[in-house]
Amino acid sequence: AQSVTQLGSHVSVSEGALVLLRCNYSSSVPPYLFWYVQYPNQGLQLLLKYTTGATLVKGINGFEAEFKKSETSFHLTKPSAHMSDAAEYFCAVSDPGNTPLVFGKGTRLSVIA
Amino acid sequence: GAVVSQHPSRVICKSGTSVKIECRSLDFQATTMFWYRQFPKQSLMLMATSNEGSKATYEQGVEKDKFLINHASLTLSTLTVTSAHPEDSSFYICSASQPLDGGEKLFFGSGTQLSVL
Repeated sequence: AQSVTQLGSHVSVSEGALVLLRCNYSSSVPPYLFWYVQYPNQGLQLLLKYTTGATLVKGINGFEAEFKKSETSFHLTKPSAHMSDAAEYFCAVSDPGNTPLVFGKGTRLSVIA
Repeated sequence: GAVVSQHPSRVICKSGTSVKIECRSLDFQATTMFWYRQFPKQSLMLMATSNEGSKATYEQGVEKDKFLINHASLTLSTLTVTSAHPEDSSFYICSASQPLDGGEKLFFGSGTQLSVL
């Protein structure tokens, strides 16, 4: 069974500081990995995903994540936080194929001016 | 790009009434759709997997008689919350799976916020 662990339910950073949201997964097969963002009162929006190929994945809004198989991690980073980045972020994993996502519990990012 | 339309985005109903939520894949055929429920400050919980033309597969602990799922066509799945109660108040999200060569692509609806008074 697959699972996702997001370390830290709440992360707070200063505007302009590095954003690092941690995600570790477990999967018996090479996984697909995703980061989603949810702004208040809105649905999930895909930030980025890893399926195959390059392990450093760039997404929207300046975010990127690196798939590290040896560490079973897929941490999300952004060099400089912006106030508009404040939201709930979900890491998710799935098998290749027609399977539902397994989500982490989410990390709320707060950005302090 | 592919879009999944979920309607309504927000619904308020009285206790005991039924509410239907629609999930449509607008420009692709989705053989499989997933329904999630999101509890406040928690992650999404998969409720059921809906396959076109067959009965939905419900996750353990999800009442199939309360959460009726119909996937009558390749572009439409509906979730009906029957005899809704305040504890059913939640955010419901659908996702649709588009098969592609060598894999799949998942698209999410924008969610429905259900409030039961």
